[in-house]
Amino acid sequence: QVQLQQSGPGLVKPSQTLSLTCAISGDSVSSNSAAWNWIRQSPSRGLEWLGRTYYRSKWYNDYAVSVKSRITINPDTSKNQFSLQLNSVTPEDTAVYYCTRDAGWLIDYWGQGTLVTVSS
Amino acid sequence: EIVLTQSPGTLSLSPGERATLSCRASQSVSSNYLAWYQQKPGQAPRLLIYAASGRATGIPDRFSGSGSGTDFTLTISRLEPEDFAVYYCQQYGSSPLTFGGGTKVEIK
Repeated sequence: QVQLQQSGPGLVKPSQTLSLTCAISGDSVSSNSAAWNWIRQSPSRGLEWLGRTYYRSKWYNDYAVSVKSRITINPDTSKNQFSLQLNSVTPEDTAVYYCTRDAGWLIDYWGQGTLVTVSS
Repeated sequence: EIVLTQSPGTLSLSPGERATLSCRASQSVSSNYLAWYQQKPGQAPRLLIYAASGRATGIPDRFSGSGSGTDFTLTISRLEPEDFAVYYCQQYGSSPLTFGGGTKVEIK
């Protein structure tokens, strides 16, 4: 059974960087058949896919156009986890952030969610 | 990107009744890669249906999915008290992944 455990601050100041980590158990971040995503949910934007990282003989990343200039998703093979960094945040980035696994793009496992509020 | 429109926004029904939820895509969903999720307050979404009609592991058979191309349906044959929640469709046939706006199934 795959489990995803999220960690990171719940409050970030405007213009700063949002950073979250997702620890994986029951699978490997280096899996050749899975990918590791970040998705956020807010009342104004609904569920929004942000991006993913995956390993297929080498590492790849895909990012949503809406955040492409501000986002980085990195794997950490030594700790079997992956991270999200979102730069230059504004109040519009306030949301519940989820880490997820996908198999063939189908999202099958979700982390518990982290409410991140952008406020001074 | 594919835009998914769910209807109705809210469905008011009683336990034991049948629920029919709709999801319409702005263009054809590749390989009918359409999933349905259930979300309860304070929880992450849970996968119910994949590839339009496949039931995920552990999902009761009162949940069924159908449809193809641009029109998809989630049916709950007889609502149980634990089924009152918000339901989302999501397409994973093309990048980026996109979600519908959700249908809330509430107790009448």
